[in-house]
Amino acid sequence: EAAVTQSPRSKVAVTGGKVTLSCHQTNNHDYMYWYRQDTGHGLRLIHYSYVADSTEKGDIPDGYKASRPSQENFSLILELASLSQTAVYFCASSLWGYAEQFFGPGTRLTVL
Amino acid sequence: AQSVTQPDARVTVSEGASLQLRCKYSYFGTPYLFWYVQYPRQGLQLLLKYYPGDPVVQGVNGFEAEFSKSNSSFHLRKASVHWSDWAVYFCAVSIENQGGSAKLIFGEGTKLTVSS
Repeated sequence: EAAVTQSPRSKVAVTGGKVTLSCHQTNNHDYMYWYRQDTGHGLRLIHYSYVADSTEKGDIPDGYKASRPSQENFSLILELASLSQTAVYFCASSLWGYAEQFFGPGTRLTVL
Repeated sequence: AQSVTQPDARVTVSEGASLQLRCKYSYFGTPYLFWYVQYPRQGLQLLLKYYPGDPVVQGVNGFEAEFSKSNSSFHLRKASVHWSDWAVYFCAVSIENQGGSAKLIFGEGTKLTVSS
């Protein structure tokens, strides 16, 4: 059974609209992460969290907000979606900061 | 600045041949290193990990990697490639972040094609 799940798996959004991507993990991990992957490139960290009700900025946080209401759930929010945010978004979790991360299947977001 | 470089964007190997995918990292601290594989339209799966200790680490499906501090490298190897290894491979380093946490820095990936 998949330990990190994401919803939706794909989404088409309009420019200026609000988008919420959800992530749920059953690994009992404290750390959760949001990355974006642009075609043909590696992953870049947007936001992360190591405890419920607290989030931290990653390397490319501009234009994104995050929410961690519980240990299991971590959301990524695009308040005003832009064309440049078209990408695949991955959620991941880890037991501790330096441990291996377990990834979800990804959400393909297209902003038109 | 901390970074991971995978110098080969694309590699083609015949089925049954040996494989080496290169990875160089730049990080002043003690590196924790990982290799992940990504199959088409899927998430990343861990192949193997290096925590400070034995420089040669074994992973799944016959993969292994060797850490070299002097060369700042963490190359991935496999003795005999199978067609199912056709995928994109990412090298990553875990680096210290604020608040005692850590974050992964990824390379750009190497796309492996297996020819028959």
